[in-house]
Amino acid sequence: AAGVIQSPRHLIKEKRETATLKCYPIPRHDTVYWYQQGPGQDPQFLISFYEKMQSDKGSIPDRFSAQQFSDYHSELNMSSLELGDSALYFCASYRGTDTGELFFGEGSRLTVL
Amino acid sequence: GQQLNQSPQSMFIQEGEDVSMNCTSSSIFNTWLWYKQEPGEGPVLLIALYKAGELTSNGRLTAQFGITRKDSFLNISASIPSDVGIYFCAGQSRNFNKFYFGSGTKLNVKP
Repeated sequence: AAGVIQSPRHLIKEKRETATLKCYPIPRHDTVYWYQQGPGQDPQFLISFYEKMQSDKGSIPDRFSAQQFSDYHSELNMSSLELGDSALYFCASYRGTDTGELFFGEGSRLTVL
Repeated sequence: GQQLNQSPQSMFIQEGEDVSMNCTSSSIFNTWLWYKQEPGEGPVLLIALYKAGELTSNGRLTAQFGITRKDSFLNISASIPSDVGIYFCAGQSRNFNKFYFGSGTKLNVKP
């Protein structure tokens, strides 16, 4: 079965650079969530989209932005990167009209040097 | 925001032992989900629960949706070394659009 696809899997950037992460949800899933997970921490909610509109916003820095496109894939743009942005970034998808199951991608590991 | 209290934070057990972990919340949830995460990987969904009182099994894993809809537990029977990882609970809010996560239970299994 198709899963949530994230790219790139690994990314190394310098401070103050920009990074873009991509997420391709499971087919027919219309809702995408972005999470940030630091070492030893649980996933922290950043932002979500339902039917291409932002549906909720969590602890996302102003330096970050995201959108969901017409094909339901989503991109997380991170600018003016800081050392503290180094983390695993997960995308998860869900069919917004249902109760239930949120599926995660394998994550993108961002390292800021 | 809503908080999920997950316990224990970590467990060190011997292979073959049974394990139990739970999550509680002050809020009612529509759905409880249990995930396992291994280092550097995304959380993998183990069990989804949809109804208060529901008891669901997946192999050696059993989870229950509490009657009050504010809690859930996960049991692992006859643990094996590959059960090692971090287990997260997640609750889906009543308006369906938000998921809240527990802080995880780190399971260590000694062969």
